[in-house]
Amino acid sequence: DGGITQSPKYLFRKEGQNVTLSCEQNLNHDAMYWYRQDPGQGLRLIYYSQIVNDFQKGDIAEGYSVSREKKESFPLTVTSAQKNPTAFYLCASSPHTTSNQPQHFGDGTRLSIL
Amino acid sequence: AQSVAQPEDQVNVAEGNPLTVKCTYSVSGNPYLFWYVQYPNRGLQFLLKYITGDNLVKGSYGFEAEFNKSQTSFHLKKPSALVSDSALYFCAVRDVSGGYQKVTFGTGTKLQVIP
Repeated sequence: DGGITQSPKYLFRKEGQNVTLSCEQNLNHDAMYWYRQDPGQGLRLIYYSQIVNDFQKGDIAEGYSVSREKKESFPLTVTSAQKNPTAFYLCASSPHTTSNQPQHFGDGTRLSIL
Repeated sequence: AQSVAQPEDQVNVAEGNPLTVKCTYSVSGNPYLFWYVQYPNRGLQFLLKYITGDNLVKGSYGFEAEFNKSQTSFHLKKPSALVSDSALYFCAVRDVSGGYQKVTFGTGTKLQVIP
């Protein structure tokens, strides 16, 4: 079955450490997205990518970085500059960014501070 | 700028009763509208969408939604609630006017179906 795989499911970050969240899709979608979910705030867009080797900042990109070297993969790095990283992180994909098709979501990574 | 409002943080309904989860939106052009459901510690699952055409949209698990352009609303409904419908529901909008338009999500409504 096609879908999006996020790993790990739970991640702990030490002070001053960078951590990387994995997102892989086998849906052959061009567009991929990273969202942050905090209680009562809905989903906020961190970064998005419309095509391989291209990505754009979303609403809350500070303290995060991404790469898109392969169509299937869109890893997110939470850097030490992100002072409040504790959240549930969701990766999504869609055929392309102007599509009327819904986004497909992975099952998330929950990041906590040690 | 586009926006979505889900005015109720939580909706409680008795099992077997009809349910409504409210959503209003604001876009400068025409909207694509979506409803998603999220179970604890899971990603969002797509329920239904409005793109164009019939204002009443039917989706997964017996859910439906009515697009009302004059009231800029897209309320989610189900005739008879199940305990298993208890989850977090998100409304989302995309403005279809040209180029990349991000999807904006509401803050979510927790649905509690009481046995």
